[in-house]
Amino acid sequence: KNQVEQSPQSLIILEGKNCTLQCNYTVSPFSNLRWYKQDTGRGPVSLTIMTFSENTKSNGRYTATLDADTKQSSLHITASQLSDSASYICVVSNIGGGTYKYIFGTGTRLKVLA
Amino acid sequence: GAGVSQSPSNKVTEKGKDVELRCDPISGHTALYWYRQSLGQGLEFLIYFQGNSAPDKSGLPSDRFSAERTGGSVSTLTIQRTQQEDSAVYLCASSLNRGIAFFGQGTRLTVV
Repeated sequence: KNQVEQSPQSLIILEGKNCTLQCNYTVSPFSNLRWYKQDTGRGPVSLTIMTFSENTKSNGRYTATLDADTKQSSLHITASQLSDSASYICVVSNIGGGTYKYIFGTGTRLKVLA
Repeated sequence: GAGVSQSPSNKVTEKGKDVELRCDPISGHTALYWYRQSLGQGLEFLIYFQGNSAPDKSGLPSDRFSAERTGGSVSTLTIQRTQQEDSAVYLCASSLNRGIAFFGQGTRLTVV
């Protein structure tokens, strides 16, 4: 069964600290993996996209890693800011019959405190 | 349009009434998704349209839910005989096949 699991479910950190969010998946065949940020009351916005051959990709203070062998990804946030408070959703794209489909994790809810 | 547009942004309805939620995807996007997000929960897949292929309806929770996509563009999600547990934010997303999925701002449905 194609599944995406994220941990932790929620996380509280102090402003300026770093944190790492985890994503494990069992999606096959694998196409790519994305991390989305969803601010409260808004739709998710894409942060990074990684294909099978990519191990690391950065977007400002956000760095995503992918280990296609162990089917794990992480999102590392450096020097967190209050505006980083949001839900972070891991999405794995599955290809079947030539079309693509997204499998979503349930997200990690991050709260950054001053 | 410039982005995925959903309407209405908020909808309050009485239990037992039917509701229709609309999604205008980005022009040219072949794939369209509907998701549901209950308070404090993750995204729940509902239905997926890809071009002219038969839609993937595997996520629809009951036969009270249906969706159509006319002309490969605008989509309408219909919920018949609404129940209180239908209260959620309904999100629509579109993508150009393997491209990034762009989400609308959602429709917040409250069934009272």
